[in-house]
Order: sequence, then structure tokens, then C-alpha cells
Amino acid sequence: AQSVTQLGSHVSVSEGALVLLRCNYSSSVPPYLFWYVQYPNQGLQLLLKYTSAATLVKGINGFEAEFKKSETSFHLTKPSAHMSDAAEYFCAVSDLRGKLIFGQGTELSVKP
Amino acid sequence: DGGITQSPKYLFRKEGQNVTLSCEQNLNHDAMYWYRQDPGQGLRLIYYSQIVNDFQKGDIAEGYSVSREKKESFPLTVTSAQKNPTAFYLCASTLTNGAFFGQGTRLTVV
Repeated sequence: AQSVTQLGSHVSVSEGALVLLRCNYSSSVPPYLFWYVQYPNQGLQLLLKYTSAATLVKGINGFEAEFKKSETSFHLTKPSAHMSDAAEYFCAVSDLRGKLIFGQGTELSVKP
Repeated sequence: DGGITQSPKYLFRKEGQNVTLSCEQNLNHDAMYWYRQDPGQGLRLIYYSQIVNDFQKGDIAEGYSVSREKKESFPLTVTSAQKNPTAFYLCASTLTNGAFFGQGTRLTVV
């Protein structure tokens, strides 16, 4: 069975600091991995996805994530946080038919 | 523009009442999903449908029902058997390379 664990339900960074949101997955088959962002009272927006091509994946808004098979990780990073990055972030894994399994989410706060 | 439309955005339900949440997509996706979101619990899968006239239970299907009579539509009914229905409900449609989400329906029991 596939599963996702996001380490840290809340992360707080200062504006301009590095953002690191952690995600570990469990999958018996080569996974498709995703990061989504959610602003209050809205749906989820796809930030980036890994589908077995390059291990370093670049997404929207300056975010990127690196797939590390040996560590079963897919951490999300951004070199410099902006106030507008404050939101909830979800890591997800899917099977070949597209069924998504989500982590618990990490709320990112950005301090001025 | 292609996308997923959920309606209504806000919905209030009285105790013992059934309500239906609408989800329509014009992305020509075969698969559609309903998730429930509660604070601190992430997204939990209620029902999903890979093809018209077929659907499967997710992790928390009790108290919910769905239909998939058309490719574009996947309505969710929250029945009176669902004891704690207050939550944010999200509909999604997918290809294997990612899901597209609607803007959600916030259901509150009054």
C-alpha cells in the first residue's frame, strides 16, 4: 500500500529564508509524486510533480523538489521565502491509475 | 477554460437531512474523486470513479453516496447516516500525471 508522511504540521520561516518542507513516501511500485498548495478556503493547486524523469523537479513560484529513492523522500524547497508563500502544502503519491494518497499537510508561516 | 466546478461554495444542512454536492468537469478526464478535508487530517478519500457507471468506496465512504451517469459529472450525497458531516469537500479529476481540483464546498450542519 502507498502512503505519505509529512514531517512537521507547522513550519515557520522568516521572509527571505530557505523553505524546506519534508515528505517521505512508501510505495511498492515506482511512484508518481506531487506537491500541492492550498490557500484558505480554496482548492488545491499543483506545484510540481515527479513522474520518473529528472530527479530534480522544478515547479511554479520558485519551488523545487528532489526525488531520492534511497531515502524514499521528496522534500520541497524554495531558496527565499515570500510572504505570499504562506499556505498549506500537501505531498501526495499516486498509483498508475491516478488515485492520490495525501500526507497530513504542512502549514507554512512566513514572518516579516 | 477547462476546469472543475463545484457548487455550492457554502452549504448548510439541518440534522437528518440529505444534501447533494455538485461536481462538474470539462477536462474530459475519466477518473473523478471526492475528498473530505478536516483540520489537521489532510485529505481523506470518500469515493472515486474510474469510468462512467462505475465507482468504488474510498477510506471513509460510510454515510455518503455517489453516482456517475455522465463522464462530466460526479455528485456526492451526504446522507443523514453521516454523523459528523461538517467539513470542506473537494472534488478532483485526474490523469496519471496529476489531479485538478475544484474550489471546494464547505458544508456546515446547523
